[in-house]
Amino acid sequence: ETGVTQTPRHLVMGMTNKKSLKCEQHLGHNAMYWYKQSAKKPLELMFVYSLEERVENNSVPSRFSPECPNSSHLFLHLHTLQPEDSALYLCASSQARGGTGELFFGEGSRLTVL
Amino acid sequence: GENVEQHPSTLSVQEGDSAVIKCTYSDSASNYFPWYKQELGKRPQLIIDIRSNVGEKKDQRIAVTLNKTAKHFSLHITETQPEDSAVYFCAASRAGSYQLTFGKGTKLSVIP
Repeated sequence: ETGVTQTPRHLVMGMTNKKSLKCEQHLGHNAMYWYKQSAKKPLELMFVYSLEERVENNSVPSRFSPECPNSSHLFLHLHTLQPEDSALYLCASSQARGGTGELFFGEGSRLTVL
Repeated sequence: GENVEQHPSTLSVQEGDSAVIKCTYSDSASNYFPWYKQELGKRPQLIIDIRSNVGEKKDQRIAVTLNKTAKHFSLHITETQPEDSAVYFCAASRAGSYQLTFGKGTKLSVIP
């Protein structure tokens, strides 16, 4: 595997379920990101980890909980989500700080909350 | 915080014509402006970027221009081809920040 891989690619869950999204990067980068992509809205930065330390948390509801156990792996734990949380969740990584270096995105996890 | 406006939201051009997408930003401290292309069902990918110390940058059929005074930047695609059909996102950030603010995207359709 090369680049940034995300699993699962598709997820359907009820509002009371607990699930997790997984991201793995094989690029040797030191920063990892979660973005939310909804129709008709800009890509929204949710969380950033640099060297396994969270450096950005953009007022994301607590029902989304990130975890970065090492520089290659990033998780997004989901709990008691709402239908409006249905979206494409994109993981990305970068060598430099994302504001000034290329972001490498995964294919995304399409989440549907019933 | 930064706010990025992108226009138009949709754009259709005939194959071989040029396409221009425009973005404005609000934070005068922003100094990095990348453009990402997202084909249907695929991941966004960086196609070109520009930093505030230059006014224009070209890469084959793609060019980006930056006007810092007016706080706007544009993507120019010449001799468009069907494979240019995609959603294009502009973004802006300041040095040292992880906060990359994206525009809402422009869906470009190139008609053969």
